[in-house]
Amino acid sequence: TQLLEQSPQFLSIQEGENLTVYCNSSSVFSSLQWYRQEPGEGPVLLVTVVTGGEVKKLKRLTFQFGDARKDSSLHITAAQPGDTGLYLCAGAESGAGSYQLTFGKGTKLSVIP
Amino acid sequence: EAQVTQNPRYLITVTGKKLTVTCSQNMNHEYMSWYRQDPGLGLRQIYYSMNVEVTDKGDVPEGYKVSRKEKRNFPLILESPSPNQTSLYFCASSREAAKNSPLHFGNGTRLTVT
Repeated sequence: TQLLEQSPQFLSIQEGENLTVYCNSSSVFSSLQWYRQEPGEGPVLLVTVVTGGEVKKLKRLTFQFGDARKDSSLHITAAQPGDTGLYLCAGAESGAGSYQLTFGKGTKLSVIP
Repeated sequence: EAQVTQNPRYLITVTGKKLTVTCSQNMNHEYMSWYRQDPGLGLRQIYYSMNVEVTDKGDVPEGYKVSRKEKRNFPLILESPSPNQTSLYFCASSREAAKNSPLHFGNGTRLTVT
């Protein structure tokens, strides 16, 4: 199983600040997904990136897939308390016959009003 | 409403007493999977199923069983639970193999084994 390292593990910021979280691996992924998990609920998909260098925007959230498809970042502009949650990246191994996602351990974000 | 339903949400049991956590999806998804989530360890896959009657081990299958007799249901069975199986469990499904389509998660089952 390929490893996905997420950083930072914990992040506490004031409302209105910007932040970036990272998802890194030494392996190549055919695609990478970002999920957000709120307390008491299951993870919910935010975005999937599939092309090296791809950038996707979801309102104040910007997702980028690295050129070599080994890493990804999530940037949040002007964070709001509603952004609080656990952010998980999940990668699909590159190559035929791979059917599983590998999850990072997550970044726990707290946005303080 | 499209959803993955797990039951129960909370379960406290004793060592050795067999239990089943049910999972059902109403989206006609082919792929289903069970994960456990533990502090500091993240989400780890227990078992997955590519389709009816097809199941395979994930990263941490020891102590668990699954079955996929119908497309919509994927129960998780603990034949003889032990305290190290105390965890938060999630069932998930996707239209096809998880690498190609997003996972839809249930709301979790918090299991405590004493």
